[in-house]
Amino acid sequence: DQQVKQNSPSLSVQEGRISILNCDYTNSMFDYFLWYKKYPAEGPTFLISISSIKDKNEDGRFTVFLNKSAKHLSLHIVPSQPGDSAVYFCAASVATSEKLVFGQGTRLTINP
Amino acid sequence: GAGVSQTPSNKVTEKGKYVELRCDPISGHTALYWYRQSLGQGPEFLIYFQGTGAADDSGLPNDRFFAVRPEGSVSTLKIQRTERGDSAVYLCASSSISGGELFFGEGSRLTVL
Repeated sequence: DQQVKQNSPSLSVQEGRISILNCDYTNSMFDYFLWYKKYPAEGPTFLISISSIKDKNEDGRFTVFLNKSAKHLSLHIVPSQPGDSAVYFCAASVATSEKLVFGQGTRLTINP
Repeated sequence: GAGVSQTPSNKVTEKGKYVELRCDPISGHTALYWYRQSLGQGPEFLIYFQGTGAADDSGLPNDRFFAVRPEGSVSTLKIQRTERGDSAVYLCASSSISGGELFFGEGSRLTVL
């Protein structure tokens, strides 16, 4: 049972435009959500997070939106840069657990 | 280096053999995690240590998998009687506090022939 789903395996965006990566979840107990970025042959690195008490969190070019009623979150990157090309994972957790549940990932390619 | 170090980076073994994967966390990090990433999937939780003790081992798939962290620093993931389905990248992460940001290593790629 895939509790966190990223339905787009890949996304291609022009440099300078907005990249929007989507993530859906099924477990209503999740109350903390994160995005990780992964380059080839490297481990995932933390990008941005959001608590369920918020619906938006912004950090520079990166903004995460949370829609609890739809059990949906999205990551917006604007403007997109070539260095943003990577695999992006969304992850979720329950406050009482250290366990992160990851989605399958979306490969983002930024075209010059 | 200052990051999480994992060895070996690549391991090829035959079905039925025993394998050990090592993780050296960031100095001073008390929380340590093991995840497994199969091809085309996201990382899947295996086990979490707080200090020397396994606080949550609910992700270990079966009793062929075991992990230790005897001195609260380096951890070893042990896999007995390996099967082809164990082939994956095994990721280790550490954190300075429970619930804090996870810092991942580059992973150990295990291939079982």
